[in-house]
Amino acid sequence: GESVGLHLPTLSVQEGDNSIINCAYSNSASDYFIWYKQESGKGPQFIIDIRSNMDKRQGQRVTVLLNKTVKHLSLQIAATQPGDSAVYFCAEKQALGSGTYKYIFGTGTRLKVLA
Amino acid sequence: AAGVIQSPRHLIKEKRETATLKCYPIPRHDTVYWYQQGPGQDPQFLISFYEKMQSDKGSIPDRFSAQQFSDYHSELNMSSLELGDSALYFCASSLRRGRGTNAEAFFGQGTRLTVV
Repeated sequence: GESVGLHLPTLSVQEGDNSIINCAYSNSASDYFIWYKQESGKGPQFIIDIRSNMDKRQGQRVTVLLNKTVKHLSLQIAATQPGDSAVYFCAEKQALGSGTYKYIFGTGTRLKVLA
Repeated sequence: AAGVIQSPRHLIKEKRETATLKCYPIPRHDTVYWYQQGPGQDPQFLISFYEKMQSDKGSIPDRFSAQQFSDYHSELNMSSLELGDSALYFCASSLRRGRGTNAEAFFGQGTRLTVV
């Protein structure tokens, strides 16, 4: 399939090492954040989410850290594997009123796992 | 499990033509979002619908319109196509579970539109 994100920031990590991908968000009122993984030619896939009343959440091999003071999110991937190679986006969920929302994506980061 | 279905997967149109992209949300999801992703870009929010009503509008050109039908599927209509409209168009759906309850958006595989 065609590549997405040809000119995005790239993080190259040795297989087995830990990866840290960073993201800054814009709206201090946002109360929910998601990390998505996008492989070439595919739609974004949900990885992990975090609410604004938390500063850390762990999943399987992934951890998301939220620093509301500086409006910063990070995604940590433990023991990075070749299958982790993809573009990673953070998204903030912004309330529109009447209980509806939209998701605003940050700039993606391409993760390259080196064998 | 059923996912978000988009059709067609690929579409080639000439300048000034019209295109219609379709999105079928996950069953029982009541909210649909459309995003445009250009090469090397992050997905840009275009428009969203909740319970068949437009809930928000982002950077969607006036040449584009969208609607959500009674069966919750949505269509993005694009007229007077320009070369710059070439992009991946994603649809996502989510379920509003109630005030203050989070519900992640699930994305379809996207439609790649190429305008020549």
